[in-house]
Order: sequence, then C-alpha cells, then structure tokens
Amino acid sequence: GEDVEQSLFLSVREGDSSVINCTYTDSSSTYLYWYKQEPGAGLQLLTYIFSNMDMKQDQRLTVLLNKKDKHLSLRIADTQTGDSAIYFCAESFTGNQFYFGTGTSLTVIP
Amino acid sequence: DTAVSQTPKYLVTQMGNDKSIKCEQNLGHDTMYWYKQDSKKFLKIMFSYNNKELIINETVPNRFSPKSPDKAHLNLHINSLELGDSAVYFCASSQGGGSDTQYFGPGTRLTVL
Repeated sequence: GEDVEQSLFLSVREGDSSVINCTYTDSSSTYLYWYKQEPGAGLQLLTYIFSNMDMKQDQRLTVLLNKKDKHLSLRIADTQTGDSAIYFCAESFTGNQFYFGTGTSLTVIP
Repeated sequence: DTAVSQTPKYLVTQMGNDKSIKCEQNLGHDTMYWYKQDSKKFLKIMFSYNNKELIINETVPNRFSPKSPDKAHLNLHINSLELGDSAVYFCASSQGGGSDTQYFGPGTRLTVL
C-alpha cells in the first residue's frame, strides 16, 4: 500500500508561521488533502489541492506541492493557540482509495 | 443539520460482546467509509462502500462487518469484541470515490473492558 509520512510533533510560538510536512511514495494520486483534528473531535477538512497544481492559498493557509520530490506542505501564517491540533495529510486515488498520513501534533505556545 | 453523524459517541462494553455503531449522512453521497484511529492517532481505513461495491481492507478481522440498510447509512457491526478493538471509529462519506473529498463524522470512542 501507499506510504504517507509526517513528523509526529511540531511546536511553534504564537504569531509565528508553522510548516507541516508530508511525504508520500505514490505520485498517481488525484487530490491531496489537509485535515485538522482537535482533541476529542472528528477530522475537519482544511483544504485540498489537485495533483497538477503547485500551490494553493486560502487565507492563512498555504499548500505547496512538489510532485517531483513527492512532498506536500501546509503553512499556517500567524499561528494561533486555536490552531493547536493534529494535522493529517491524505491522498486520494481512483477506486475509493484514500491514504492518510501518520498525523502531526501541532502545539502553539502562547 | 449535521452532515455525517454517528451514534453512540461513547461505547463501553465487555470483551466477547457484539456491538454496532451507526452512521448516517445527509449529504446525498454515494460512498461511505469506516476508519479506525488507534491510541497513537494513526488512522486506518477499514471499509469503503457504495451501492455497488464493498472494498475491505484485508487487515480487518472478519469480526467486523459493515451493513448498509440504504444509501444514507453504513453501520459497523463488531462480533466477539476484543481488548485490541478499543479505539475511536470514524465514519466518512464522499460523493463518489477516488478524488472526491471525504467528510467525517465526530467519531465513536469504543472501550472494551
């Protein structure tokens, strides 16, 4: 199966930018996603990018996709304490297949 | 008007019991999924299902079975519960498969004693 890897932990100071990284092995995916999971809650879709795009910006969120290196990143500008959560990257393929990363726990220090 | 809902939110039961978790989506989606999230927060797909095809993750024990009374519901039935089944189970749905975005339910925390 597909391998999607993320760093497990990231700590940043409030107001700084956060960059969460994701690497994958199968580049035939159609869409790539970022989900946020707050404590005790379900996954919330933050943003997604079509696999033929390089970048997508949505308010404080910037998604960068480097297909050559099979690397996806999520940058959160002006990180707030409310951004503390676990962030999952995910890939989708034809045939109802989704693969999720291992999740990155983001801690924002006031 | 919750898009994807699950019941119960918490489920505590004894080893060996049989239990079901219900999932409903009001998005009109064609495909539904079940995921298991373990204590380390790793998320693994268990099943994906539409009215034509059930795709099972081969690592899922056959004690787990999805049951779909209609397109808006995909329930998860678990027989002979084991301690290792303790986890949070998430239901999700998407319009189609593949590239379509999945929308997740709030999760059901299952604890097996």
